[in-house]
Amino acid sequence: AQKITQTQPGMFVQEKEAVTLDCTYDTSDPSYGLFWYKQPSSGEMIFLIYQGSYDQQNATEGRYSLNFQKARKSANLVISASQLGDSAMYFCAMREGQENTDKLIFGTGTRLQVFP
Amino acid sequence: KAGVTQTPRYLIKTRGQQVTLSCSPISGHRSVSWYQQTPGQGLQFLFEYFSETQRNKGNFPGRFSGRQFSNSRSEMNVSTLELGDSALYLCASSLNGQGEEEKLFFGSGTQLSVL
Repeated sequence: AQKITQTQPGMFVQEKEAVTLDCTYDTSDPSYGLFWYKQPSSGEMIFLIYQGSYDQQNATEGRYSLNFQKARKSANLVISASQLGDSAMYFCAMREGQENTDKLIFGTGTRLQVFP
Repeated sequence: KAGVTQTPRYLIKTRGQQVTLSCSPISGHRSVSWYQQTPGQGLQFLFEYFSETQRNKGNFPGRFSGRQFSNSRSEMNVSTLELGDSALYLCASSLNGQGEEEKLFFGSGTQLSVL
């Protein structure tokens, strides 16, 4: 069965430093997509970055990049130059590609706190 | 372009009542899905709709239902509310929900409290 694992319940990082949030996944589907979302205390899930299983290059979106290691089944999120506003919950999620579906499997999340 | 809009933002109900939550997807998006988020169970998929048809359903009791209208707006309904239904209900939309590359965008959620 498909599964997403985020082993870091909480992370601390100093402002302007880089931080890596870990995510490993398990699926038998050769086609899948991996997502990262940010959830501030307001509750909204904000899309950050996407990586497709067939993408040859790691995805990047501004200060966010995804360290995709397919053989290890990991999709770690790297946030460069952390800002105070980055403090939030971060969720890794996966969608399998063989079905026409928006069903995402989410990890348990990592709470990131950025301090001055 | 407006994002996914969910109403109401907060809702307080008592056990046994029923509730209806509303979701307006991003303009042009035809697929709408619903998720429940609780501290204990995390984020769980409820169901999804495409072209007014339920396409996929999660493992929730029949008290949870939904529908989609011709303009892609969606509602979800929970009947005979239980205390355990207290949660943040998130709606998400995508263009067609086809293939692993389609991005899924979420609304701000409806925080439901059952007393």
